[in-house]
Amino acid sequence: DGGITQSPKYLFRKEGQNVTLSCEQNLNHDAMYWYRQDPGQGLRLIYYSQIVNDFQKGDIAEGYSVSREKKESFPLTVTSAQKNPTAFYLCASSIGGHNSPLHFGNGTRLTVT
Amino acid sequence: SQKIEQNSEALNIQEGKTATLTCNYTNYSPAYLQWYRQDPGRGPVFLLLIRENEKEKRKERLKVTFDTTLKQSLFHITASQPADSATYLCALGGSTLGRLYFGRGTQLTVWP
Repeated sequence: DGGITQSPKYLFRKEGQNVTLSCEQNLNHDAMYWYRQDPGQGLRLIYYSQIVNDFQKGDIAEGYSVSREKKESFPLTVTSAQKNPTAFYLCASSIGGHNSPLHFGNGTRLTVT
Repeated sequence: SQKIEQNSEALNIQEGKTATLTCNYTNYSPAYLQWYRQDPGRGPVFLLLIRENEKEKRKERLKVTFDTTLKQSLFHITASQPADSATYLCALGGSTLGRLYFGRGTQLTVWP
């Protein structure tokens, strides 16, 4: 079955540590996205990539970094510079184009203490 | 400023009734609007897309309308069932926007 896999489902880290969230898709989609979801807030775009080896900042990129070395993979690193890293992180992909529906993974819940 | 507002954070209705969710926006000019369903602890799932030149779109028990004059989309679930209980998100998009913008969602509860 095609889909997007995010791992792990739950992640715990100590403050001051960098952590990398995994996102893999086998849908052959060109575009991939990272969103953050907090209670009572809409999805906020962190980074997106429309093609391999290229990515753009979203609305809340500070304290995060990404890479897109392979079409299938778009890992997100939450750095120690991110002031409020505890959140639910969602990865998505689409075939590209402005009206393409997004296919989401089931998220990683990151808790930083 | 740009805003996307979805009606009340929570909507509770009885099974069999029609649920109507609203998505209002200001200072956007979307070419299309998408609706997603999200269950607790899971990622959103795409339901429907409606373009600016379409007044209405249907899929099984779902109906979406899009009024660019009122800057509003309505999302209807007819003959609602407890299994329809979830959070529903609207998202605006288009070439001038460059990417999707999501509302905060409406949590729908359908009780027996």
